[in-house]
Amino acid sequence: EAQVTQNPRYLITVTGKKLTVTCSQNMNHEYMSWYRQDPGLGLRQIYYSMNVEVTDKGDVPEGYKVSRKEKRNFPLILESPSPNQTSLYFCASSSLDYPTYEQFFGPGTRLTVL
Amino acid sequence: AQKITQTQPGMFVQEKEAVTLDCTYDTSDPSYGLFWYKQPSSGEMIFLIYQGSYDQQNATEGRYSLNFQKARKSANLVISASQLGDSAMYFCAMREGLGNTGNQFYFGTGTSLTVIP
Repeated sequence: EAQVTQNPRYLITVTGKKLTVTCSQNMNHEYMSWYRQDPGLGLRQIYYSMNVEVTDKGDVPEGYKVSRKEKRNFPLILESPSPNQTSLYFCASSSLDYPTYEQFFGPGTRLTVL
Repeated sequence: AQKITQTQPGMFVQEKEAVTLDCTYDTSDPSYGLFWYKQPSSGEMIFLIYQGSYDQQNATEGRYSLNFQKARKSANLVISASQLGDSAMYFCAMREGLGNTGNQFYFGTGTSLTVIP
């Protein structure tokens, strides 16, 4: 089954404790991306990657890191989480080939930083 | 300036009626794609429909159609024959640059649609 998986689905942590949210896709997609969703703000792109070892900042990259060492994986790293990073996070992937630009989303990770 | 603007925070529609959800966008890139996603209360993001900037015809997918007016920079979603299961949050999104260039994504703030029996 074609899918994007994220782990963990729920996470409660404390300020300053480094954490990683994993993302993996099995569709051989070149493009992968991270978003955060906050009430009233919609989804905002954090980082995206066009291929292995190629990453770019989205609209809200501050406080986040990513890496793309393998095509299927795109982990999101919070080196020193703060309460304003409490949010719902989505990973997504898509092909770069016309016309299949649809993004497939993971189930989301709800993060609470105390 | 906002890249994607959805001006309707909430909408109501009678079951079996059609409803239009508004979306305007802002880009100077000639190559872009426009998307609509549905997010039910369960939280997952469901792709509904896509329109490319060079596509001549409006996109349609079952009961969903995209009213693409390029000169006005609008990409409204039309849902025909609304069903109770259509009650959800709807997001308009744009991908600037297509293929191997650009590819930053922008989402609107969403419209919450409620279908009334």
